[in-house]
Amino acid sequence: GNSVTQMEGPVTLSEEAFLTINCTYTATGYPSLFWYVQYPGEGLQLLLKATKADDKGSNKGFEATYRKETTSFHLEKGSVQVSDSAVYFCALRAGGTSYGKLTFGQGTILTVHP
Amino acid sequence: SQTIHQWPATLVQPVGSPLSLECTVEGTSNPNLYWYRQAAGRGLQLLFYSVGIGQISSEVPQNLSASRPQDRQFILSSKKLLLSDSGFYLCAWSVDTGNEQFFGPGTRLTVL
Repeated sequence: GNSVTQMEGPVTLSEEAFLTINCTYTATGYPSLFWYVQYPGEGLQLLLKATKADDKGSNKGFEATYRKETTSFHLEKGSVQVSDSAVYFCALRAGGTSYGKLTFGQGTILTVHP
Repeated sequence: SQTIHQWPATLVQPVGSPLSLECTVEGTSNPNLYWYRQAAGRGLQLLFYSVGIGQISSEVPQNLSASRPQDRQFILSSKKLLLSDSGFYLCAWSVDTGNEQFFGPGTRLTVL
């Protein structure tokens, strides 16, 4: 079946540090890949997405590249801010008759200190 | 624009009591609807999805059920809550199966 594995957290960084959150996946066919962010006390918001191999999704300074050869979709940001503190979820949506269902990783808690 | 509502925002219920969580979507027609649960320290698990009124698919066997009495209304229910039902419940919608999902603010359920 489909699965998503994220690096374990929590991750604690100082402001302006470089961020990488690893994400690898297992899926049949050609899934679409997503990063969602959950700020404290809120629901999930889509951060970025990529729908085919070698696509790069980007938003708010975050980037992730769909790497089919390594089945990865690592999230990066060059300089984090305190306001980036949140839980980050990697997810995939398989094609075919999956009815758009998302399979999520376990989430990575990011805390950024001033 | 489209919006998604969930209520209540928080709920504390005793073991064995019934449950009803509601999710409604505005500004779109015939959305796909989803219920997810986020247990403490774990990722999100898809519980149910619906592609139309009265059409419910369950992803995992459990103590919960879902219903879709109207096009833009999705209800999560239980007749008797268990301690293990505690968690953060998120409703989501999408235009169709090929598009991104939009999530509601969630309901935090604590079963004591």
